[in-house]
Amino acid sequence: AQSVTQLDSQVPVFEEAPVELRCNYSSSVSVYLFWYVQYPNQGLQLLLKYLSGSTLVKGINGFEAEFNKSQTSFHLRKPSVHISDTAEYFCAVSNTNAGKSTFGDGTTLTVKP
Amino acid sequence: ETGVTQSPTHLIKTRGQQVTLRCSSQSGHNTVSWYQQALGQGPQFIFQYYREEENGRGNFPPRFSGLQFPNYSSELNVNALELDDSALYLCASSATGMNTEAFFGQGTRLTVV
Repeated sequence: AQSVTQLDSQVPVFEEAPVELRCNYSSSVSVYLFWYVQYPNQGLQLLLKYLSGSTLVKGINGFEAEFNKSQTSFHLRKPSVHISDTAEYFCAVSNTNAGKSTFGDGTTLTVKP
Repeated sequence: ETGVTQSPTHLIKTRGQQVTLRCSSQSGHNTVSWYQQALGQGPQFIFQYYREEENGRGNFPPRFSGLQFPNYSSELNVNALELDDSALYLCASSATGMNTEAFFGQGTRLTVV
């Protein structure tokens, strides 16, 4: 069985400040890791994914994440956020395919002017 | 290339009724997954269909059932609706050989009263 814990339910930050959204996972086998963004009343959009190889993954909209196997973490970072980054962010894990993922409960990122 | 489309976008049903939600997968995708997202929570995996066969199921009772058609579109059926079934239902499609990425629709908001 797999599980995902997003350590912060809400993260408020000022515009142009850096941000980190934390995600820990548990799994007994190798996994794929994902970060998705969800805007109000919309579906999920993939930000980035870790499959294998380099532990630093770059995604869309200036986001990046680092896979740390020893700490079973996959934290999402952005060096400078914009108002438009305000949304819900979900970390997900799968050991089979992306369609069979286990999601965390989400982190609400609020960017203030 | 069309994306994943779901219908209807909103639906209100009475407890005990039955409901059918529909999903058209992205062109070229033969795998469809369904998720339930309760308010304030992350999506939970219901089941996946691959080439018209169920290919994995989450922890949902048998009153949640599905179908996939030869054109790879899919339906989610829920019988004997309960108040706790109120949620956003998300459909995601993916393609064989690209099972490390799933594309989500906008969802169907189901309210059970």
